[in-house]
Amino acid sequence: NAGVTQTPKFQVLKTGQSMTLQCAQDMNHEYMSWYRQDPGMGLRLIHYSVGAGITDQGEVPNGYNVSRSTTEDFPLRLLSAAPSQTSVYFCASTRGGLAGRNEQFFGPGTRLTVL
Amino acid sequence: AQKITQTQPGMFVQEKEAVTLDCTYDTSDQSYGLFWYKQPSSGEMIFLIYQGSYDEQNATEGRYSLNFQKARKSANLVISASQLGDSAMYFCAILLVGSARQLTFGSGTQLTVLP
Repeated sequence: NAGVTQTPKFQVLKTGQSMTLQCAQDMNHEYMSWYRQDPGMGLRLIHYSVGAGITDQGEVPNGYNVSRSTTEDFPLRLLSAAPSQTSVYFCASTRGGLAGRNEQFFGPGTRLTVL
Repeated sequence: AQKITQTQPGMFVQEKEAVTLDCTYDTSDQSYGLFWYKQPSSGEMIFLIYQGSYDEQNATEGRYSLNFQKARKSANLVISASQLGDSAMYFCAILLVGSARQLTFGSGTQLTVLP
């Protein structure tokens, strides 16, 4: 299994440009999430999905869109990039089910710089 | 809303000694899970250990153990016999069972192991 993959690894954008960060998982996990990590801080939740066709907002959703057309893929779209969106973006997935050790598997991250 | 507090921005430990990284949490939910992740300078998020709120015994994973004190709402990570490779950022996180498997992270502790 490849686990959680993210592309690209690095990206530089100009203010106002749009782009899509790709995320895919091959573990048949129901739950997928996008987090951002700013310098010196923990990860903050942007958007998440509990299954194909179902998405919801997290703590910091403004300026981002998501969709979940398949179980495997969960792309994150930046509509009009701003310097405040300079960050490292992590995609994560986890299985559903009842309580228990629901470890989140993280992708390697995408380092985004907005000039 | 749930919250994680890590009060030690940076910690130093001598190689082969044990170190405790503090984590306190705030939630009114009874069912939750506590996670510790390691983030080396390369940036990936590495799962270390998990503790469920109803687990009666403290979790252990090799050199990692979790000192879980439910009444005090603390979940400290203990690393025994520190190694140079343990130098990294460490994040504590909480997952509410009733949530959509989303993690709330603390701000992290930067651990440096000295030779």
